Amino acid sequence: QSVLTQPPSASGTPGQRVTISCSGSSSNIGTYTVNWFQQVPGTAPKLLMSSNNQRPSGVPDRFSGSESGTSASLAISGLQSEDEADYFCAAWDGSLNGVIFGGGTKLTVL
Amino acid sequence: EVQLLESGGGLVQPGGSLRLSCAASGFTFSSYDMSWVRQAPGKGLEWVSSISASGTIDYADSGKGRFTISRDNSKTTLFLQMNSLRAEDTALYYCARRCLGSSVSCFDYWGQGTLVTVSS
Repeated sequence: QSVLTQPPSASGTPGQRVTISCSGSSSNIGTYTVNWFQQVPGTAPKLLMSSNNQRPSGVPDRFSGSESGTSASLAISGLQSEDEADYFCAAWDGSLNGVIFGGGTKLTVL
Repeated sequence: EVQLLESGGGLVQPGGSLRLSCAASGFTFSSYDMSWVRQAPGKGLEWVSSISASGTIDYADSGKGRFTISRDNSKTTLFLQMNSLRAEDTALYYCARRCLGSSVSCFDYWGQGTLVTVSS
């Protein structure tokens, strides 16, 4: 059971907008910023969003991040087949004194 | 080009030891915090340990007392000494670079991983 809770799966059709949530607590998301990672099966994770809503260079602006209270969200608009991957949120937890990851959300493009 | 190349994984019996290495290139290694993150087969990501540029070290509870992270800035290499290995340590171990000037859970470059299998 991960400290950060993500839905195990999400899906959408090409062109749709999908949102992936990441729920935490005051000791993690409520205090520290959230980062998002994309992992295509068989490859290493890739940084997708940093500090809640900052897109690293090369990440399309179809991806956006937000945070409110003890939850964060990753939105993907104009869904494309290449977006099919696993998505993980991460944050520091001040009670555990460590980095924690969400359990991951498998995004399927129908 | 930033590159992180892990090595040292393999098959080890329960209770055994392994030393993982991560050879870094393409950036000023000594200026960056570095981390190990693992992924058990078919599972999610789990942070293992981090070492800052100044040498401050953190461990996840799962590895405290068994794992030791270290770095050799002269050889631009990160290490993870793993002792008293258990079946639940079986995973792909990634070396990751922490983002500069950002949150501690921000990892901007990852290696391809080295597989550790703990089994008799």
